[in-house]
Order: sequence, then C-alpha cells, then structure tokens
Amino acid sequence: GDKVKQSPSALSLQEGTNSALRCNFSIAATTVQWFLQNPRGSLINLFYLVPGTKENGRLKSAFDSKESYSTLHIRDAQLEDSGTYFCAAGRAGGSNAKLTFGKGTKLSVKS
Amino acid sequence: GGIITQTPKFLIGQEGQKLTLKCQQNFNHDTMYWYRQDSGKGLRLIYYSITENDLQKGDLSEGYDASREKKSSFSLTVTSAQKNEMAVFLCASSILPGVNTLYFGAGTRLSVL
Repeated sequence: GDKVKQSPSALSLQEGTNSALRCNFSIAATTVQWFLQNPRGSLINLFYLVPGTKENGRLKSAFDSKESYSTLHIRDAQLEDSGTYFCAAGRAGGSNAKLTFGKGTKLSVKS
Repeated sequence: GGIITQTPKFLIGQEGQKLTLKCQQNFNHDTMYWYRQDSGKGLRLIYYSITENDLQKGDLSEGYDASREKKSSFSLTVTSAQKNEMAVFLCASSILPGVNTLYFGAGTRLSVL
C-alpha cells in the first residue's frame, strides 16, 4: 500500500471557507514537507516541519510523529489557493535523502 | 533567493532514443534530485546526488543515467525512450539530503512518439 496517504484526493471549496488536508504515514517520518503545485506545474514549498506546528498567513500545518500524520489547514480560501497539494515524509540523519511523496490533493476554489 | 533552471521545458522524442535533461541551480546547495511525475501519481525519486560527482539511486533508477558534473548542475539521461511515454521530470535541490527544504525547478515535459 501507499506509504504516504493523502486525503481527500480532491476537494472543491467556496471562496472564503476553511478546510483541512491530511497526510497519514505508514513509515517512520521525522520530517514533513508540504508543497503546492500550481496550475502551471511549478512546485512551491509551503512548510518544512519537524513535530509541531507552523503557521504562515492563512495556512497552518501540524505534524504528529507519534500518531504518524500531518495536516494542512487553509483558512479563508482564495482563488489562487487552487492547485494540487503534496505532502512528503522524510527521515533526518545519515545520507538518506529519500522523501516519500503522497499522490496529492487537488483543490479547486470557486467564487 | 535562488533559482533552479531546467532545460528543455518540452522534449519530444522517438521510441528508443537517448534523451538528456539538464538542471542548473544557483542556491549553492549540495544535494540535487531528479523526480518523475506521472499523471495522478506522486513524485518518484529517480536519482539524487549529495555532492559533486556523487550519485545515488532512487526508487525508479532503471532506464535512467545521471551525472553531477559540478555542484551547480545535475543532468538526467533517459537511456531508451519508451513509446507513448508521457511524464514530467522535476529537478530539485536542498542544502543537505532529506532534512532541509526542497526547492523545485519548473519541470521538463516529455512526450515520446
């Protein structure tokens, strides 16, 4: 099965509403990264997390390594938030550079 | 800030052809990566390089070669393009392997006729 499972796979939001995306891990992740792939295909790094939470504007992310999940909360969704959100699990230490990506959540924000 | 430049943006090849994709970064990052993205799937790691002249296989290395000519550049070769293959190849870099923020290039879109 998938080592990193993202849910939901797709989501449609009305502008101005809030939502949460989730990532569940079946591997021992020590770090998590969240990316947004915009409609032009560029991948933008949103958060790099060790266990804990981070906030940036309307976005907030949490990573619980013991329960093996991470969440990305979007507050007051805007049209430019549309795109595909990916989470990726990593392991700190050594030369292990492998980030394991989920399959993404496709978000459409409508006016 | 820095930038990762991938060339070409679009690549059309013939079945069996050897194709080379290039990536340059000016972040002065030690580690560089090549990922493949297929429609509806996450990114899969092909090769990565921890430092100049280093090469490490990812999960999808079969059918590919890579070369880290210098710290700022990392190239990927499709050794024999498969008919009807379509994918996006993404180059990325980070300061250290696995533990730092990853920065991505805009991608090379491959189509094989």
